[in-house]
Amino acid sequence: KAGVTQTPRYLIKTRGQQVTLSCSPISGHRSVSWYQQTPGQGLQFLFEYFSETQRNKGNFPGRFSGRQFSNSRSEMNVSTLELGDSALYLCASSPSGASSEAFFGQGTRLTVV
Amino acid sequence: KNQVEQSPQSLIILEGKNCTLQCNYTVSPFSNLRWYKQDTGRGPVSLTIMTFSENTKSNGRYTATLDADTKQSSLHITASQLSDSASYICGLTGGGNKLTFGTGTQLKVEL
Repeated sequence: KAGVTQTPRYLIKTRGQQVTLSCSPISGHRSVSWYQQTPGQGLQFLFEYFSETQRNKGNFPGRFSGRQFSNSRSEMNVSTLELGDSALYLCASSPSGASSEAFFGQGTRLTVV
Repeated sequence: KNQVEQSPQSLIILEGKNCTLQCNYTVSPFSNLRWYKQDTGRGPVSLTIMTFSENTKSNGRYTATLDADTKQSSLHITASQLSDSASYICGLTGGGNKLTFGTGTQLKVEL
């Protein structure tokens, strides 16, 4: 069974630009969650999508948004990038959400210059 | 204040030795507590997942314990190997089904 796939693996963007990250969950998993990981803050929850609906949201500004498609694939968008958005962005898929085991992808390393 | 605190922040041990990592939490109520291992440049991999009613859970050389009274969990690694060098992250599923994580313990196993 294929694992969680995130693309691209690495990105370099300039301040003010926008970026879209993609996550393909494990086949059959309907929940996709996104996290931002930085050395000082650890893993911070961004949002969770289940069956194309945002079910949970963390404490991030509106510049961070996401969506989920009918095949459970998910995208995350960050607009008007800031230097502080530089981080590893991880997505995790699970069959039904946070009560079940979550499987993480390799992450997308975003660098904002 | 972070609702999940891990200690120590970093740890160096010799191969073959045992070690224990700590996780103190204030998340309440919670439905499950998880331990993850994250190798450098890779995503976290689940080691154990326990409900609030479980006291201990093992996965090979990894054993997690949970004391709901003191709000503490520990991860014990037995007979460490070089491949155990990684970051170990504790996370809890709390209200609203949100996962809250600690900042991790960076473990280095040396010869």
